[in-house]
Parts: sequence; C-alpha cells; structure tokens
Amino acid sequence: DGGITQSPKYLFRKEGQNVTLSCEQNLNHDAMYWYRQDPGQGLRLIYYSQIVNDFQKGDIAEGYSVSREKKESFPLTVTSAQKNPTAFYLCASSRRGAYNEQFFGPGTRLTVL
Amino acid sequence: EDKVVQSPLSLVVHEGDTVTLNCSYEVTNFRSLLWYKQEKKAPTFLFMLTSSGIEKKSGRLSSILDKKELFSILNITATQTGDSAVYLCAVEAGRGSTLGRLYFGRGTQLTVWP
Repeated sequence: DGGITQSPKYLFRKEGQNVTLSCEQNLNHDAMYWYRQDPGQGLRLIYYSQIVNDFQKGDIAEGYSVSREKKESFPLTVTSAQKNPTAFYLCASSRRGAYNEQFFGPGTRLTVL
Repeated sequence: EDKVVQSPLSLVVHEGDTVTLNCSYEVTNFRSLLWYKQEKKAPTFLFMLTSSGIEKKSGRLSSILDKKELFSILNITATQTGDSAVYLCAVEAGRGSTLGRLYFGRGTQLTVWP
C-alpha cells in the first residue's frame, strides 16, 4: 500500500532537548512538507522540499530544522530553540508543481514536559 | 494576516440538515483551492477547484469557486453523524520555488447530532 508514515505517534520531550520526527513516503512524490497544527488553528507550514537536497522555510521555521537526503524521507528536528513546541505535527507529500493535492501522514503529537 | 478565512469556525446541526461552509481568500498567484476533511488525525482530500462556476460533486458533498469574488463554498446535504469533522480550506498560490505550497484556513468544526 502506498502512503505516508510518521513516527512516533506520540512523543514526550523534556525542555532543552532536541527531538527528531520521522516522515517516510512510498508514493514516489518529489515534494514533501511539514505542518504544525495547534488547537483551533489551521495548518501552518514549517518547511517544504520540492526536490532532494533542497528545501525552503515556511511561515514558522524558527526553532526547526530539516534535511532531504533521500526522496522518500523528510525528517524534522524540533530544537531547544523552539519556544513552544507542544503541538500536532503533520507531514505531507505531493507531486512537484502546481495543481497537485497533498497527501498527509497520520501525524505526531509532541508534548514538552 | 490570514490569507484564507473560513466561516463559521464552529457549527452544530442535526442529522438531515444541510450545511454551507465558507472560505474566502486573498493571495497573489492563485492556482487552486482545496477542501480537506480532518476527523482525528490526517486530513483527507475532498476537492480541488481551479475554475469559477464549475461545481464539483461527490455524493452529498459539493463545492464551487468564485474567482472574481475570491471565495468558495462547501455544501453538505442530508448530514450524517459521520460528517462530524473539521473541514479545512486551503489555497494553492505561488510560482517558481513556491509552486505547490498551500495556505490553510483555521477550519470549520462541524458537529452533527443524531
């Protein structure tokens, strides 16, 4: 089955620690995206990548970092510089270019203790 | 400021009612408008609209886009409890390296009571 997987489903972190969220897709999509969702909010774009070894900042990139070494994988690191990291994180992928819907993974809920 | 505004933010109806969800937008280099349904976790794709006045329909759901007035509506007829979800509107806008990125509204929380 083709799809997007995210792990872990739930993640707890102590303040001051970096943590990496995994996102893998087997849809052969070039583009991948990371979003953050807070209660009562829509999805806000953190980073996106249109092609391997290239990525751009979204609207709320501060305190986050990404890499895109493989087409299938787009991990997100939440660093200790992120002031309020507790949120629901969604990864998505799509074909490159315009007029392509994005497909979403099941998400990771991160809680900072 | 918000580029995509949805209304209402919350809606409670009874089974069998018809609902209309609204989405207005203000972006440059508009490409398309998308509707997603989010029940618990991953949003699932409903519609993509690119042309004004052409209704897209899937069962009891339908949607239409007005590119002159910059808005879209999502209609759900004969609502069922399974329609309870957050409905997200997203606008695709950009060019070059920003092609394909979406701007999301805050969503409309629809609750359907039996």
